[in-house]
Amino acid sequence: AQSVTQLGSHVSVSEGALVLLRCNYSSSVPPYLFWYVQYPNQGLQLLLKYTTGATLVKGINGFEAEFKKSETSFHLTKPSAHMSDAAEYFCAVSDKKNSNYQLIWGAGTKLIIKP
Amino acid sequence: DAGITQSPRHKVTETGTPVTLRCHQTENHRYMYWYRQDPGHGLRLIHYSYGVKDTDKGEVSDGYSVSRSKTEDFLLTLESATSSQTSVYFCAISESGVRTEAFFGQGTRLTVV
Repeated sequence: AQSVTQLGSHVSVSEGALVLLRCNYSSSVPPYLFWYVQYPNQGLQLLLKYTTGATLVKGINGFEAEFKKSETSFHLTKPSAHMSDAAEYFCAVSDKKNSNYQLIWGAGTKLIIKP
Repeated sequence: DAGITQSPRHKVTETGTPVTLRCHQTENHRYMYWYRQDPGHGLRLIHYSYGVKDTDKGEVSDGYSVSRSKTEDFLLTLESATSSQTSVYFCAISESGVRTEAFFGQGTRLTVV
């Protein structure tokens, strides 16, 4: 079965600094990969996804992620952090079970932005 | 915003009582999901549906049942609530399964005392 590991339950960066949130998955088969963001007291919202094609994926709010098959990674980056980026970020990967696909989720990384 | 409504948004109930959470969508999406969110665990799938009356178990289905008699409604029932089921519950919908974006409801905060 698939598993997803997000390194660091909390990541703190200064406003204007690079944001790097790490995600590794376990799979020998190229999966579908997703990053979602959750603002306080809200549901999750899709940031970006990789299905096929270009391995560098651009999403909303200036975020991007690169699929690296050899490293089984899908790290999320943003060149310059903004206060409004403070939220919890979840990585997810597709997994097939009983002929249906499900999403397997990482535990989440809370991004803290320091002024 | 995708049309997903969860009700109730907050509920406090006593151990041993039955509880039903409702998810209603206006998008006519085929797939509907119930997740629970607990600190340190991310989201864990409870049950999902891939059509009317077609449902399957997720990784944490024990103690939960679901029903989907109409495309727009997906009900999650805790037959006899326990304190371990205190959590935030999210409903999600997607058009074609995990290849397409999942849209989430606002969540239901359930406390079992």
